[in-house]
Amino acid sequence: NAGVTQTPKFQVLKTGQSMTLQCAQDMNHNSMYWYRQDPGMGLRLIYYSASEGTTDKGEVPNGYNVSRLNKREFSLRLESAAPSQTSVYFCASRMVYSTYEQYFGPGTRLTVT
Amino acid sequence: AQSVTQLDSHVSVSEGTPVLLRCNYSSSYSPSLFWYVQHPNKGLQLLLKYTSAATLVKGINGFEAEFKKSETSFHLTKPSAHMSDAAEYFCVVTSNTGNQFYFGTGTSLTVIP
Repeated sequence: NAGVTQTPKFQVLKTGQSMTLQCAQDMNHNSMYWYRQDPGMGLRLIYYSASEGTTDKGEVPNGYNVSRLNKREFSLRLESAAPSQTSVYFCASRMVYSTYEQYFGPGTRLTVT
Repeated sequence: AQSVTQLDSHVSVSEGTPVLLRCNYSSSYSPSLFWYVQHPNKGLQLLLKYTSAATLVKGINGFEAEFKKSETSFHLTKPSAHMSDAAEYFCVVTSNTGNQFYFGTGTSLTVIP
C-alpha cells in the first residue's frame, strides 16, 4: 500500500496563477483533510471531507477550493495564488471515528513569487 | 472551544538523558489526544494516542504520555534520548465531533551528542 500520496512535491507559482494539488489514499478511509504548515504555527486545517460527497471549511479556507472526487481522491485548488499562500501543504486521511488517527502524505512545498 | 498549547517551542537535551515535552489542552468534552513527530523535510508520523482507555499511553520508539484530566495535560516523555529523536513534535486534540484535529504550534527537540 502506498498510503497517502501527494503531487506535486514542489511547485513555484507566480502571483495570480492557479494550480491544483492532488491527494490520493488507498486505505479505504472515509475522511480526508488538507492542512498548511507555516513556521511556528503548527498545522492549520484548510478544508476537510468527512465522507465522500461532503466538504467543510476548516480554520483557514480563504483563497482555496476543494473537490472530493471519489472516496480515494481529494484535491485542493488555488484559483489565484498569492505570496501569503507560500507554505507546505499536507493531505491526511482517516477512518471516521474519533479514536482513529490521521495518516499524512509527504507534503507539497509551494512557493508563490 | 478546544485548543492545544505546547509550552516549549524548543527543547535541548543531551543524548541519554530524559525527554519531557509539555502539552496542555482546553476542551469542554473528553477529547482524543495524539502526539505526532515530524523529522526534517518529512511528513508526520503518529507516536501515540489517548482514547479514554488507559491514562498512561505507550508509543513507538520508547515514548509515552500520561493523560491527566485534573491538570488538562498530556505531556510526552522518554527515559533516554537518542540522536534520532531530534525532530519537531506536535500535540493534537480532536474536536467534539471527532471530525477535526487541532494542532499545537510544535516543539523542536535537539539532542546534543
